[in-house]
Amino acid sequence: SQQGEEDPQALSIQEGENATMNCSYKTSINNLQWYRQNSGRGLVHLILIRSNEREKHSGRLRVTLDTSKKSSSLLITASRAADTASYFCAPGRYGGSQGNLIFGKGTKLSVKP
Amino acid sequence: NAGVTQTPKFQVLKTGQSMTLQCAQDMNHNSMYWYRQDPGMGLRLIYYSASEGTTDKGEVPNGYNVSRLNKREFSLRLESAAPSQTSVYFCASGSGELFFGEGSRLTVL
Repeated sequence: SQQGEEDPQALSIQEGENATMNCSYKTSINNLQWYRQNSGRGLVHLILIRSNEREKHSGRLRVTLDTSKKSSSLLITASRAADTASYFCAPGRYGGSQGNLIFGKGTKLSVKP
Repeated sequence: NAGVTQTPKFQVLKTGQSMTLQCAQDMNHNSMYWYRQDPGMGLRLIYYSASEGTTDKGEVPNGYNVSRLNKREFSLRLESAAPSQTSVYFCASGSGELFFGEGSRLTVL
């Protein structure tokens, strides 16, 4: 399975703190994506990191990828209450339909004001 | 920009009834997808369509059928609804980055 598994399942922090979520996967990938889902809404794409990249930044987001360990991490710096959401990783495989993503159960982040 | 539009947003069915969830995208994407999301289960892929005229099964296709009507539209049909199909259904489109609709919340009694 190309499913990513997020860890921890739930994370509760105070506003201003950093939040780190991890993702592990089992097979070779072409890229890995992170998505956010606010309660009752659809998923929103956050960032894509390619297999030949080790780190990528987007605003307060920092994603790392270690293909040797088959793992990725998402760091949200200086978190805000609006960051409260579930976060999903999605490993993208080589070949086939590049968008045929399998999502894990996600990390539920709660940021308390 | 509409993006991905799903209808209906809410639906209640009785066991054995049939219904079709509609999805349309205006981003000219070749690929479209149907997922279901259940509490504690994450998202699971039901069916996908890599291009107009093709469809393929995902993880959990049993009890569902799909139609890729044209490049814009991808519908999901439940022929005989069962309580186990109570879920939130998401349509998505894209290749690489996916764009999701807001979901269709289906309850089967």
